[in-house]
Amino acid sequence: ETGVTQTPRHLVMGMTNKKSLKCEQHLGHNAMYWYKQSAKKPLELMFVYNFKEQTENNSVPSRFSPECPNSSHLFLHLHTLQPEDSALYLCASSQDPGDYGYTFGSGTRLTVV
Amino acid sequence: EDQVTQSPEALRLQEGESSSLNCSYTVSGLRGLFWYRQDPGKGPEFLFTLYSAGEEKEKERLKATLTKKESFLHITAPKPEDSATYLCAVQPNTGNQFYFGTGTSLTVIP
Repeated sequence: ETGVTQTPRHLVMGMTNKKSLKCEQHLGHNAMYWYKQSAKKPLELMFVYNFKEQTENNSVPSRFSPECPNSSHLFLHLHTLQPEDSALYLCASSQDPGDYGYTFGSGTRLTVV
Repeated sequence: EDQVTQSPEALRLQEGESSSLNCSYTVSGLRGLFWYRQDPGKGPEFLFTLYSAGEEKEKERLKATLTKKESFLHITAPKPEDSATYLCAVQPNTGNQFYFGTGTSLTVIP
């Protein structure tokens, strides 16, 4: 257990479905992140939250919608996804946004059919 | 353009056979370089941070070194449990971006 918990671990969804990914951390960290990891590609930063406020949106399509109700929880709402969105979605946290000693969750393996 | 390149893409070693993984980077200025280990089905696990050329960090059989253009992760007498993908990431000293490489997949054969 790394301190960052992601659910579900696996998700298969159709292109017309709506689903949500959940991330929870009890490390007392102030910053939380969503990353996308695709095969043979570097990790791609999607969103950054600091004290519940979104500080970065890395040109992510609007079919991905983040939500951070408090500094311990982070969600990624998904709707009308494309097959190329299939990937491992990783949540991470750190003490502050400038502190990159991240603690990552185990990820959600998403398959869009 | 800021960039991180890791080599080799994959590496197979016999148990006890020491080797090195490379991470070369091109950034306008380096704030920090980070090494992570990722096991299958899991998220990356933080290993080291290096900040300046000449710096070295060690943890068990792993030693990370840094020059002005690249970092090496040296693995001494590896064991099968060292099998994983090793990721390198750099943080430039301007902006908040954080660039990952594509990783080196290491397999250590008993």
